[in-house]
Formats: sequence, structure tokens, C-alpha cells
Amino acid sequence: GENVEQHPSTLSVQEGDSAVIKCTYSDSASNYFPWYKQELGKRPQLIIDIRSNVGEKKDQRIAVTLNKTAKHFSLHITETQPEDSAVYFCAASRGGSYIPTFGRGTSLIVHP
Amino acid sequence: EPEVTQTPSHQVTQMGQEVILRCVPISNHLYFYWYRQILGQKVEFLVSFYNNEISEKSEIFDDQFSVERPDGSNFTLKIRSTKLEDSAMYFCASRGDGSSYEQYFGPGTRLTVT
Repeated sequence: GENVEQHPSTLSVQEGDSAVIKCTYSDSASNYFPWYKQELGKRPQLIIDIRSNVGEKKDQRIAVTLNKTAKHFSLHITETQPEDSAVYFCAASRGGSYIPTFGRGTSLIVHP
Repeated sequence: EPEVTQTPSHQVTQMGQEVILRCVPISNHLYFYWYRQILGQKVEFLVSFYNNEISEKSEIFDDQFSVERPDGSNFTLKIRSTKLEDSAMYFCASRGDGSSYEQYFGPGTRLTVT
């Protein structure tokens, strides 16, 4: 089955800095890669996703890149704000079921 | 904006007891899922449900677990005889149709088995 590795497990940045979270996946058939933000005690919320037919997608301060050959994808957050502090999960899934296999999560801490 | 809802928000039960966790998916969605998240760990897939039957399940979803869609709105997860290691947050999610990728998660039910 699919295996998703995520790094780092914890990321501490100053407000205004950029943050990058990296994930690798093992199943070359995976074609959908969502990123979820989970605040303490709350539900995972989709913040951005990318499909395998594109290499990059941006939404305001958030961007995701995908390298299908290397089987890795990354989340980039620019101009971080304290409210960006949360656990971020990457995931990979394949067409049909679209059942995501999640990474272990990155705890992002943005210091004011 | 429509949301997935779950009840109860927190359930405490004794080992060996049966629990039923309830979910109301978004009304026009066709695919339904249960996940669990042990404290501090990643979200793990349990089961998916489509067209009134299980479409896929993980190794975690053993004979102690069952799912049901008893009516047109509710989607339930039953654990027959709870164990201490079943303590976790359980999330329900739903997805629109075959062309839609995004899953919408409910707020979760925290299950504590004592």
C-alpha cells in the first residue's frame, strides 16, 4: 500500500518567515495530494490540493509543488502569521477511492 | 456552507461496552468515510461506504467494527466490545461524487475507553 513520509515533525519560525514542509510517497499510481491543517482539538481542514497533471498550485500565501518523478511534494507558506500555527498533514491518494494516506504531520509554530 | 456533523463530541465508556458514533454527512454527498486519530498521531483510514455497502476497509476495521446508514441522513460507526486501545478521536468524512476529490471532515468524536 501507499506510504507517506513527512518532514519535519516540528517547525518553528518567526512571523513573516516562510515555512516549507516536505512529503514523499511510494505509490506511483497516486494522483491526488491534499494538504490539511488541523488546529488543536479540531477537524482536519483542506487548505490546498494538487493533482498529478500539474507541478505547482498557488493560493495566496500557500503553494504546493509536486515532482512526480521523484515522488515528492511540498507545502510552502510565505509571510507566516501566528494564526498559521497548527499541525499540517500531507496525504496521497489514487483515483477511484480517493482514500488519503496521511503523513505523520508537522507541527508549525509561528512566533510573533 | 454545509458541514458534516458528529455526535457525541465526547464519549466515555468502559472496556467491553458497545458504542455507536453518529455522523450526518453533507446532504448530497455519496461517499462516506470513518477515520481515527490516536492522540498525537496521524489520521488513519478505517472504512469507506458507497451505495449502501462497504467499498473499502483497512486492517484496523476488524470484526469489532461495523458501519450503517440506517436512513437517508445518518452514518454510524459501531464498536461492539471496546478496548483501551480504541481510545482515539473518530472523524467522519463525506465526498460528493465520482468527479469530486475533496473529503469534508466532521468535528470528530473523542472516544475514551476506561
